[in-house]
Amino acid sequence: QSALTQPPSASGSPGQSVTISCTGTSSDVGGYNYVSWYQQHPGKAPKLMIYEVSKRPSGVPDRFSGSKSGNTASLTVSGLQAEDEADYYCSSYAGSNNFYVFGTGTKVTVL
Amino acid sequence: QITLKESGPTLVKPTQTLTLTCTFSGFSLSTSGVGVGWIRQPPGKALEWLALIYWDDDKRYSPSLKSRLTITKDTSKSQVVLTMTNMDPVDTATYYCARFGWSGSLHFDYWGQGTLVTVSS
Repeated sequence: QSALTQPPSASGSPGQSVTISCTGTSSDVGGYNYVSWYQQHPGKAPKLMIYEVSKRPSGVPDRFSGSKSGNTASLTVSGLQAEDEADYYCSSYAGSNNFYVFGTGTKVTVL
Repeated sequence: QITLKESGPTLVKPTQTLTLTCTFSGFSLSTSGVGVGWIRQPPGKALEWLALIYWDDDKRYSPSLKSRLTITKDTSKSQVVLTMTNMDPVDTATYYCARFGWSGSLHFDYWGQGTLVTVSS
């Protein structure tokens, strides 16, 4: 069971957009529409930002959006704000055997 | 209001067994489709899913740790317990519990604050 692959870092200036990729396989990301994204600030618990590829929980700004193409999912943060600086993790359902897998994490820096 | 809170030892010795308890409120683990899972995060590293128990007592484990993990629930007490045997310093991490599967989806929507467990002699 391998972790999903994310770039270690991404950055953008306030107001710009940043997109984070999450690459898996046909057994996880590519096989199911159960990709989620979590935001984690230092010393805090992860917070759900996107579920089922592109759905936002109540209270999450519409600046956050998700998509998927094949075995790669993406999270885009538009109109970057200082409070968006955090670590972001993708995750996916991975079938009945492996069940669930997280990504390697991406640190987003607001310049 | 939905809350989850992890409790257990902050320090364990190598080879010992770790027992963590997740006490939750605001939902019931007798609700169809709902589960509670455990996730850990070594200092400075990524999240790792460990185990999950469903409302109907169906249990799922990370394949890489399956031999060391046991997850159980006490619905009447709103608690889920995770045990991990043969602890090693590499198991030092913050351990989180989280709700899973609400309204039929497969993600963790509410998380506890986490508890740091250090493995050292």
